[in-house]
Amino acid sequence: EAGVAQSPRYKIIEKRQSVAFWCNPISGHATLYWYQQILGQGPKLLIQFQNNGVVDDSQLPKDRFSAERLKGVDSTLKIQPAKLEDSAVYLCASSQTGGETQYFGPGTRLLVL
Amino acid sequence: AQSVAQPEDQVNVAEGNPLTVKCTYSVSGNPYLFWYVQYPNRGLQFLLKYITGDNLVKGSYGFEAEFNKSQTSFHLKKPSALVSDSALYFCAVRDRYFGNEKLTFGTGTRLTIIP
Repeated sequence: EAGVAQSPRYKIIEKRQSVAFWCNPISGHATLYWYQQILGQGPKLLIQFQNNGVVDDSQLPKDRFSAERLKGVDSTLKIQPAKLEDSAVYLCASSQTGGETQYFGPGTRLLVL
Repeated sequence: AQSVAQPEDQVNVAEGNPLTVKCTYSVSGNPYLFWYVQYPNRGLQFLLKYITGDNLVKGSYGFEAEFNKSQTSFHLKKPSALVSDSALYFCAVRDRYFGNEKLTFGTGTRLTIIP
């Protein structure tokens, strides 16, 4: 079974530029999550989707972050404009509906200069 | 609000010795508890979980964890450490209700196994 796929793996941008990350969950997993992991910290949930609907985006900085999952499968997370403090690893995870376990992708490491 | 504490940033263990990585949690109601491991430049890899039932749960690579409700702890253990166990370990908690599956993570414990 293929795992969660993410791209790109690494990205370096200047502050105020925009960037987008892509995630393809495990096949059949209806629930998709984006987490932000700042160096030295545990991952923090940004947004949770159930199919193509948003379940929880309470910790998403909506003035600069956006995410979509239009067809209920893959998802895109965008930052516009980026700030220095957005430097982090962005992790995508997926789970079955009602499943307890979230499975994580390899992450995208973002450096904002 | 739910929270997780991993009191040790770093744990060093000699190869072949038993290891313990500590975790305590706070959540309203009965928790789901998880351990994940992170290797350099890799995502989080699921190790084991406690949902219900036996307080001692077994997971991948010989790891196990003991759920202690009275002490609100979920310590990760392994009887005999391997050098390949060296990595960053995260404890996480979520509550049981559908629609509230957010995982709250600790700050991580770096485990180093000394040959």
